[in-house]
Amino acid sequence: DIQMTQSPSSLSASVGDRITITCRARQSISTYLNWYQQKPGKAPQLLIFGASNLQRGVPPRFSGTGSGTDFTLTISSLQPEDIATYYCQQTYNFPRTFGQGTNVDFK
Amino acid sequence: QVQLQQWGAGLLKPSETLSLTCGVYGGSLSGGSWHWVRQPPGKGLEWIGEISHSGGTDFNPSLKSRVTISMDTSKNQFSLRLNSMTAADTAVYYCARSLVNVDYGMDVWGPGTTVTVSS
Repeated sequence: DIQMTQSPSSLSASVGDRITITCRARQSISTYLNWYQQKPGKAPQLLIFGASNLQRGVPPRFSGTGSGTDFTLTISSLQPEDIATYYCQQTYNFPRTFGQGTNVDFK
Repeated sequence: QVQLQQWGAGLLKPSETLSLTCGVYGGSLSGGSWHWVRQPPGKGLEWIGEISHSGGTDFNPSLKSRVTISMDTSKNQFSLRLNSMTAADTAVYYCARSLVNVDYGMDVWGPGTTVTVSS
């Protein structure tokens, strides 16, 4: 299994802040890295696929970079509706594995 | 626009078998791979397994001995069975679709079914 490690586990920020979440794979996964947003009581939503491609309908303040083992998700200007937990996921091979999640809330 | 609806029993006793079904609306099973993912209370996401549009399956090794995923193309739905349930299997269970054109990301999700295992 490819272990995915996210950091930080949680972060507090203010509206308008730029925030970055990191995801590290135990082995190279090329760019087979996706990011999801999950709000309380809701199913996850795909934000970014292939490390850097914005899913249709996702605001452009979200962006992703990386390849190999190190990846980042950036929100350029945090909005109230961005309060959620964010997960990375590798689809390089089976079993599909997720990071442990990063909880984003307001200061 | 593809939507997923899921149903099945939400309260089970230890040793019973979980049976959930996910219906695909506005699309076809031939258009993707179909997954089950679960989330224990207060915890992260765990991939259970998938069935491809051709019927091939892959499972999480930690659950493989207890899991069956099948599909019924005539009803446009796919199903999960997980036997020998214990309290550790208590979770919200989601069905989801992945597509090759989003690098196998899961772009459509069901609403989730809360499953509780308790005697």
